[in-house]
Amino acid sequence: ETGVTQTPRHLVMGMTNKKSLKCEQHLGHNAMYWYKQSAKKPLELMFVYNFKEQTENNSVPSRFSPECPNSSHLFLHLHTLQPEDSALYLCASSQDSSGIYNEQFFGPGTRLTVL
Amino acid sequence: GQNIDQPTEMTATEGAIVQINCTYQTSGFNGLFWYQQHAGEAPTFLSYNVLDGLEEKGRFSSFLSRSKGYSYLLLKELQMKDSASYLCAVSNSNYQLIWGAGTKLIIKP
Repeated sequence: ETGVTQTPRHLVMGMTNKKSLKCEQHLGHNAMYWYKQSAKKPLELMFVYNFKEQTENNSVPSRFSPECPNSSHLFLHLHTLQPEDSALYLCASSQDSSGIYNEQFFGPGTRLTVL
Repeated sequence: GQNIDQPTEMTATEGAIVQINCTYQTSGFNGLFWYQQHAGEAPTFLSYNVLDGLEEKGRFSSFLSRSKGYSYLLLKELQMKDSASYLCAVSNSNYQLIWGAGTKLIIKP
């Protein structure tokens, strides 16, 4: 247990569906992250929130919409996805996104399949 | 651009030693991390190097040479449970982690 939980663990959705991924951290951290992990590719940073403010959006398509209501919770809202969006979506948290020592703690991920 | 290179896959024998290399080119450097990720699980922190040299932690050691843009993770007395992917990541000048694609380590009896 890393102190970061994600639900659901698996999700299958059609291209016209709307769904949301949820992440919660119990570590008292101030920064939260969404990553996309595809097979044999580096982790792709999608969004960063620091003290509830979005500080990074790495040119992510608008069909992915993040929401951070407080420092402990992070959502990723999904709509009209494409099959190439199928991947493992990882949430992570750290004490602060701008610190020199930025150890990130990861959740187990949501395995997303878009049909 | 920024990139991290590490071998895609390595195989080693139980009880042996293996070294996983990582080379990097990033805009700035604020430390290098190694993470372990078992299949279907979250990546977990193994080590952090910001100064040149060797950091030892039990069976695992990590080395850094900033002038060469190079690091390695050394695993000793390999156990079957060490079968996993090992991810190298560099914190750049914006404190953003730049990740390698990971090295899948297969341990054989």
